Amino acid sequence: GNSVTQMEGPVTLSEEAFLTINCTYTATGYPSLFWYVQYPGEGLQLLLKATKADDKGSNKGFEATYRKETTSFHLEKGSVQVSDSAVYFCASSNTGKLIFGQGTTLQVKP
Amino acid sequence: AAGVIQSPRHLIKEKRETATLKCYPIPRHDTVYWYQQGPGQDPQFLISFYEKMQSDKGSIPDRFSAQQFSDYHSELNMSSLELGDSALYFCASSLNNRYNEQFFGPGTRLTVL
Repeated sequence: GNSVTQMEGPVTLSEEAFLTINCTYTATGYPSLFWYVQYPGEGLQLLLKATKADDKGSNKGFEATYRKETTSFHLEKGSVQVSDSAVYFCASSNTGKLIFGQGTTLQVKP
Repeated sequence: AAGVIQSPRHLIKEKRETATLKCYPIPRHDTVYWYQQGPGQDPQFLISFYEKMQSDKGSIPDRFSAQQFSDYHSELNMSSLELGDSALYFCASSLNNRYNEQFFGPGTRLTVL
């Protein structure tokens, strides 16, 4: 079946550092890909999405490119802030339901 | 803008009791999804409804049932609760299209004692 694998956390960075969170997927066909963010005690918020190969999703300084050849959707941000501290989930969808990765906790220190 | 509403936000039950979780989707959204998130885990898909009909089913125990009503709100009924059912239960709504964003509610935290 379909699955999503993320790099394990926690990831601890200093403010203004560069962020990469790796995500790879296995799926039949060409799923849509998403990054969701979950702040402590809150629900999931969509950060960005890409629906076909070579699409780049971007939002709030975060970017991810749908790479069909490497089945990847890595999340990047050039300069993280303390307020970016949260859990980040990569997810795929072929038929509507979301299949999530394990989540990666990001902690940004001042 | 209106968001997905879930009630209650917190629920404490004893083993073998029943629980009902409610979800009110964003107006005009026709699809509702339920997810279960255990402590430190990723959300797991339980079940979904489109236009009041079950559209997909995931790892939902037989002790659980759900439905979507004519006003599009959905309820997740959980019976014979077990300790392992303690989790955060999310409802999400969307327009029926796999490209469309699912908007998540704040979740219901269920604790089974």
